[in-house]
Amino acid sequence: QVNLLQSGAALVKPGASVKLSCKASGYTFTDYYIHWVKQSHGRSLEWIGYINPIGGYTNYNEKFKNRATLTVDKSTNTAYMELARLTSEDSATYFCSSGGSYPYYWGQGVMVTVSS
Amino acid sequence: DIVLTQSPATLSVTPGESVSLSCRASQGIGTTIHWYQQKSNESPRLLIKYASQSISGIPSRFSGSGSGTDFTLSINRVESEDFSVYYCQQTYSLPFTFGSGTKLEIK
Repeated sequence: QVNLLQSGAALVKPGASVKLSCKASGYTFTDYYIHWVKQSHGRSLEWIGYINPIGGYTNYNEKFKNRATLTVDKSTNTAYMELARLTSEDSATYFCSSGGSYPYYWGQGVMVTVSS
Repeated sequence: DIVLTQSPATLSVTPGESVSLSCRASQGIGTTIHWYQQKSNESPRLLIKYASQSISGIPSRFSGSGSGTDFTLSINRVESEDFSVYYCQQTYSLPFTFGSGTKLEIK
């Protein structure tokens, strides 16, 4: 079955960057896009962007475009999201998800805490 | 950006009741709306795609309808495991956006 395994929780300092990973299994990695979604504590979901693993084509939410970078490593079926210049507003749970234009299968989520 | 307004914010029901959750888009989006269920401390789960298309493994009591700007997720005879938060999402135009959610709680 499809499984998306995300990296562990991260504690990072303000102004720093964080790189999250999402390892896919149970399907052909290049068949689906990988989406990234943010969920601040107790709040709704916010779409960050997606990447097409075939050619690395990306689409970003303008709100995150200058700080988020989505990449994939097809040799390990792993997707990455790097988020730069972190502030307290970036403290949240981040999900990766595979699917077509819409997220279908979801990772377990990873909590990122931004604190000095 | 397309704004999705979900109502009500909270819905209190008794198990066995049937309910309808609303999602209204700020502009016409055809049928490019998808519904997710999120239980506490879990990842979202896709329930319905493209407004009314069923998803493998999702109980048949969940159904969706609508097009244009008004969409509905219906749950026929709510069961105890259904008490959670429900989100709609549009993929009509970038950035893809989610509604603020409807919390289904036990009365």
